[in-house]
Amino acid sequence: LAKTTQPISMDSYEGQEVNITCSHNNIATNDYITWYQQFPSQGPRFIIQGYKTKVTNEVASLFIPADRKSSTLSLPRVSLSDTAVYYCLVVPRVGTASKLTFGTGTRLQVTL
Amino acid sequence: KAGVTQTPRYLIKTRGQQVTLSCSPISGHRSVSWYQQTPGQGLQFLFEYFSETQRNKGNFPGRFSGRQFSNSRSEMNVSTLELGDSALYLCASSWGAEGTQYFGPGTRLTVL
Repeated sequence: LAKTTQPISMDSYEGQEVNITCSHNNIATNDYITWYQQFPSQGPRFIIQGYKTKVTNEVASLFIPADRKSSTLSLPRVSLSDTAVYYCLVVPRVGTASKLTFGTGTRLQVTL
Repeated sequence: KAGVTQTPRYLIKTRGQQVTLSCSPISGHRSVSWYQQTPGQGLQFLFEYFSETQRNKGNFPGRFSGRQFSNSRSEMNVSTLELGDSALYLCASSWGAEGTQYFGPGTRLTVL
């Protein structure tokens, strides 16, 4: 499975857009890029998943360049409740996707 | 549709005891995976069950075991508890091998 690298922590003010970039140089052709959000003492919550270009849902956008060696999670107008740890994962598109490998994640702190 | 549920949410045991944790997946999901989360090691994959068969296993000692029932509900058991087993145990379900995993709230196990 491709290893991911993301910043350990980020700070933002409420109302700003936050972009968290993840590097996955060894991503395979069949891999998806998946992001989870986790609050303290809770299970990770699926945010968004993509394969290439741009994916948007009601929570976030995911930008994936053509070479797919990195991706950027974009959170529009964050609020205090977005303070959490964000994990970027590379997940096989086919085969066994169950054995998720979580890195250290990015700890996002949102303040007033 | 109800999410993944885990019981109990909190548990306190003493060294040497054993414990059984339960997980009910999202209705229709057939794959259940278990993870251990600790401050030092982060989120680590324990094992995965699909149609009552263990399909993947992480690097944990044999004291950690699990099973899945015909209704896809799953249990994990830890025997001869050690202090280092104190952790948040997370269960995740997905429709199949390639499906997105959705996590439950976790069971906080404290070993004294």
